[in-house]
Order: sequence, then C-alpha cells, then structure tokens
Amino acid sequence: SQQGEEDPQALSIQEGENATMNCSYKTSINNLQWYRQNSGRGLVHLILIRSNEREKHSGRLRVTLDTSKKSSSLLITASRAADTASYFCATVGSGNTPLVFGKGTRLSVIA
Amino acid sequence: DGGITQSPKYLFRKEGQNVTLSCEQNLNHDAMYWYRQDPGQGLRLIYYSQIVNDFQKGDIAEGYSVSREKKESFPLTVTSAQKNPTAFYLCASSQSRNTGELFFGEGSRLTVL
Repeated sequence: SQQGEEDPQALSIQEGENATMNCSYKTSINNLQWYRQNSGRGLVHLILIRSNEREKHSGRLRVTLDTSKKSSSLLITASRAADTASYFCATVGSGNTPLVFGKGTRLSVIA
Repeated sequence: DGGITQSPKYLFRKEGQNVTLSCEQNLNHDAMYWYRQDPGQGLRLIYYSQIVNDFQKGDIAEGYSVSREKKESFPLTVTSAQKNPTAFYLCASSQSRNTGELFFGEGSRLTVL
C-alpha cells in the first residue's frame, strides 16, 4: 500500500529557482521522511520530521508538516542542476509498520 | 566504509529460473528490507526482517522468498512463480525497528528474457 502521494508528479525549473514538492498521506504517522533518488541509483535519506514537529531545515532544504491536513512539503531553495532527481516522501505509521513510500516527484533543474 | 552492498547490479534471467539477489550490510543494523521499483513508480515492500531468523511479508511477497540467517545478510530469491519479475530491486537497512532512517544499496536490475 502506498500511503504517500507526491504532487506534482514532475517539475521542471531553471537553476536558481526554488522547487516545492508536496506529499499527502492517509493515516496517522509517527514520522515522515524525504528521500532522493538519482536515476538508476539507490535512495538517499534527506530529512526526517516527527509528528510533533511543524518545520525542519537542513541546508537548502526546508520541510513542513501539517498533521491536521495530513500533508508535508519539501522546499529546495536556489536549486542547482545537481538537484535533478526523483524525490520521495515516506511515512512511518503509529503501529509497528515499515516505511511506506509514495510514487515520487521527478525534478529537473535546467542550467 | 560502512554501507549496504547489493549484487549483482544487473541480472538477466530466462523464464522459469529462480534467481537470488544478494544484500549485505556492515552497519550493524537490526532491520533489513527489500523493495521493488517499477519504471516511474514508487517503492513497494516485498519482505522485511527486524531480527535474525525472523521476517515478515510485505505488500507484494508472492513469488519471492527470503532468509535472515545472519544479521549482515538478507538475500532475496525471485522464484519462477513471480509472474512479472522484471524490475529494479532495492535493499535497505535501518538501525531502529521501523521508525528510523533507511540506508539503501545501489539496487539490482533484473530483466527476464
């Protein structure tokens, strides 16, 4: 079952612009995580936000979480061509269940 | 360096053959996972293991089997019963059961000829 649903499915921006991706989920969560995947590679963990947190920063990344709306957003500021990748949100439920991934947003940053 | 190693990176199989994908980690993580990824899709959980000699089915376990005889190793066998095995397979591990960050291998791409 895929709990997270990212929006948009694909996003194309110019270098230097900000990129915003959204994730919606269906049930209560323990935490929400964002991952990045370069084409043909494994996923790399970017950031984890717990259910009692509203915002978190890591370098050029800003993640927000709204548990009342069951949604999260990932903002990448001042994007670079090297940010081109797919970005996935993943949720950990309140029960003893493994991470459930969404289908991802494909980001293209054009130099 | 610590990490997860998957092998082989590319694998071709004839229909009716079983194949085993290797996954080894030296991170001393308790939990390990296998995910399947199809083109343009997210990850779907096949099997996971939270402790040695124990594992649970994920959402798409049919046609797959696993073993967890050692903490470091979690091999996945794609059996001939799997009707559509061509996919990208990703192994991951985590330190804490189910709640923590996942560390991924580089994946194995299986193609059925």
